[in-house]
Amino acid sequence: RKEVEQDPGPFNVPEGATVAFNCTYSNSASQSFFWYRQDCRKEPKLLMSVYSSGNEDGRFTAQLNRASQYISLLIRDSKLSDSATYLCVVHYGQNFVFGPGTRLSVLP
Amino acid sequence: ETGVTQTPRHLVMGMTNKKSLKCEQHLGHNAMYWYKQSAKKPLELMFVYNFKEQTENNSVPSRFSPECPNSSHLFLHLHTLQPEDSALYLCASSRRQVTSGEQYFGPGTRLTVT
Repeated sequence: RKEVEQDPGPFNVPEGATVAFNCTYSNSASQSFFWYRQDCRKEPKLLMSVYSSGNEDGRFTAQLNRASQYISLLIRDSKLSDSATYLCVVHYGQNFVFGPGTRLSVLP
Repeated sequence: ETGVTQTPRHLVMGMTNKKSLKCEQHLGHNAMYWYKQSAKKPLELMFVYNFKEQTENNSVPSRFSPECPNSSHLFLHLHTLQPEDSALYLCASSRRQVTSGEQYFGPGTRLTVT
């Protein structure tokens, strides 16, 4: 089993749609969790950290379920500029483990 | 604007060449990282340096040799590479307290081994 798995994608959604990404991780010792976005041929950039109580940043909501070892990202009212690959990242010790990413295309 | 710069941005080298990738961060961080991103594969963490000390080496072949002379600079020395080493090599930095996990990435060096 891979350490971090994500929805295979791609997701093609119209503008204004709500889209949810799922991520699971295998290492129960994982300490911190994040969502990054990576635009085509660009470097990854932190989108948001994921806290146990869940957290929201504008149109983005992240959830963590430690018991199920599951992380989610919800994007509401999607914009064209949200088109990117979304990377789930799990941190333990000195290790940062990236998932394979889920590609999102928001269509006009 | 990125606080992490990488040079060169593109590199083509033969299998017998020796080259080096350079990374510099201007963010006052003291942890630096090398990642490899191959086509259709997740980012793979290669090396971690904290306060100039290497703390992780994720089973990377010895043909990749990192060097961290100070907390702002990181090098990746390459020699006798293989075609399968062709990839995007990304450098990142963060504060030593990694609980925030906020890594800042450079733009990467796209390496092609011929």
